[in-house]
Amino acid sequence: EVQLVQSGAEVKKPGESLRISCEASGYSFTGYWISWVRQMPGKGLEWMGRIDPTDSYTNYSPSFQGHVTISVDKSITTAYLQWSSLKASDTAMYYCARRFCTSTSCYTGFDPWGQGTLVTVSS
Amino acid sequence: SYELTQPPSVSVSPGQTARITCSRDALPKQYGYWYQQKPGQAPVLVIYKGTERPSGIPERFSGSSSGTTVTLTISRVQAEDEGDYYCQSADSSGTFVVFGGGTRLTVL
Repeated sequence: EVQLVQSGAEVKKPGESLRISCEASGYSFTGYWISWVRQMPGKGLEWMGRIDPTDSYTNYSPSFQGHVTISVDKSITTAYLQWSSLKASDTAMYYCARRFCTSTSCYTGFDPWGQGTLVTVSS
Repeated sequence: SYELTQPPSVSVSPGQTARITCSRDALPKQYGYWYQQKPGQAPVLVIYKGTERPSGIPERFSGSSSGTTVTLTISRVQAEDEGDYYCQSADSSGTFVVFGGGTRLTVL
């Protein structure tokens, strides 16, 4: 079964650093881009960026460029989303999601998704 | 920047047909995708490539496209269909992904 399992909820203070993870299983990790998506409380989905696990090539949404870092560790089939200095406005649910592919083609949609990691930043 | 516009809410009675639209600000060069999100759950892909259903998605869900508008149609709506629905596409290069603002489907 193709699965993305994310790390648990985090409570941090402003200015602290954080790295959350997304462990993939059930498929060839390097064959599929992984994206991160933010959902602020009561709000919609926002695409943050993506990474190609093959060579760690990344694209970031202009809204998130410079504010977060996306990385992978191929040896443990895990993707990461990292902040160096959190702000209260980073409080949100964060999802990882794999590029959707059928047996014949790959698309810019996402499936499956991780279960989400809730990040709360409060003093 | 590329934007997708959805109505904030749609209401429908059980057994009726719900239609959720998603308007793009330019002629599409990328396919449209639709996701269903229920409270406390991760989104689930229900339509890809504009009109195709992933394995396991009921036939009641269908997608269509006309001009700069893509539409998700849910036939014979059931109470379990209640939730938020998001359209998604990408810029012309396929590099940057965009989500619509989401539509809350209420089953009366």
